[in-house]
Amino acid sequence: EVQLVQSGAEVKKPGESLKISCKASGYSFTTYWIGWVRQMPGKGLEWMGIIYPSDSDTEYSPSFQGQVTISADKSISTAYLQWSSLKASDTAMYYCARRRGPTAAYYFDFWGQGTLITVSS
Amino acid sequence: DIQMTQSPSSLSASVGDRVTLTCRASQSFSRYLTWYQHKPGEAPKLLIYSTSSLQSGVPSRFSGSGSGTDFTLTISSLQPEDFATYYCQQSYSFGGGTTVELK
Repeated sequence: EVQLVQSGAEVKKPGESLKISCKASGYSFTTYWIGWVRQMPGKGLEWMGIIYPSDSDTEYSPSFQGQVTISADKSISTAYLQWSSLKASDTAMYYCARRRGPTAAYYFDFWGQGTLITVSS
Repeated sequence: DIQMTQSPSSLSASVGDRVTLTCRASQSFSRYLTWYQHKPGEAPKLLIYSTSSLQSGVPSRFSGSGSGTDFTLTISSLQPEDFATYYCQQSYSFGGGTTVELK
C-alpha cells in the first residue's frame, strides 16, 4: 500500500528555520517524482515544486524559487521541504504528493496527510 | 505560465442533482487535465486524470471531458459525500477551486 506520512504540526517564530518531512512507503521511492503543495488558510492549492529522489533533480514554481528548498534522502525514502527564515505568510498547510504521468499529463495520485505550519511572533 | 480558471467558484446543489464544473486554461498547453476533490481536514483526493480517466475506486458518477482549453467535471447524481471543493490541475498550475455546497 502506497503511503506518504508527513511530520507533525509546527509552531515557529518569524526568522526561524524549519524542515518538514514526507516519508514514503509501499513503492519504489526513487522512481517517482514527489511534489509539495501549499494551502494557505481559506485559500486554494498552490504547486510549489517537485523532486526526483533518484538524482535529486528539482523544479520549483517561480513563486517559490529561492523561498524554500526541496530535498530527498533516498536511503530512508524521505522527501523534505525546508525554510531558512520563516515569515508569517508561510503559515499554511503543506502537502507532499507522488507524481505520476509524463510532463504534459502528470498528476498527483497519492498525498500525505498534510503538515500545518504556523508562524507567529 | 499557464493559468487555470474554474467556474463557478461555488455552487449550491441538492442530493441527486447533476452538477457540472468548468476549468479553463489560459493557453492550450496539453489535452490532459486532472481533477481532485478536497474536503476540510483531509488530503486532496485524485478523481480524474488524463482528462477523462477515472482513478481506481472513484464512483462512476464522476466523469471528465474536454479539450483545448476547456474542460469539465460532471457529477451525474450528487451524493452527500460529494460536498467538497474541487480543483483542476494542468502542469504546474491548480485552478482556484469550486466549492459544492448543500442547497
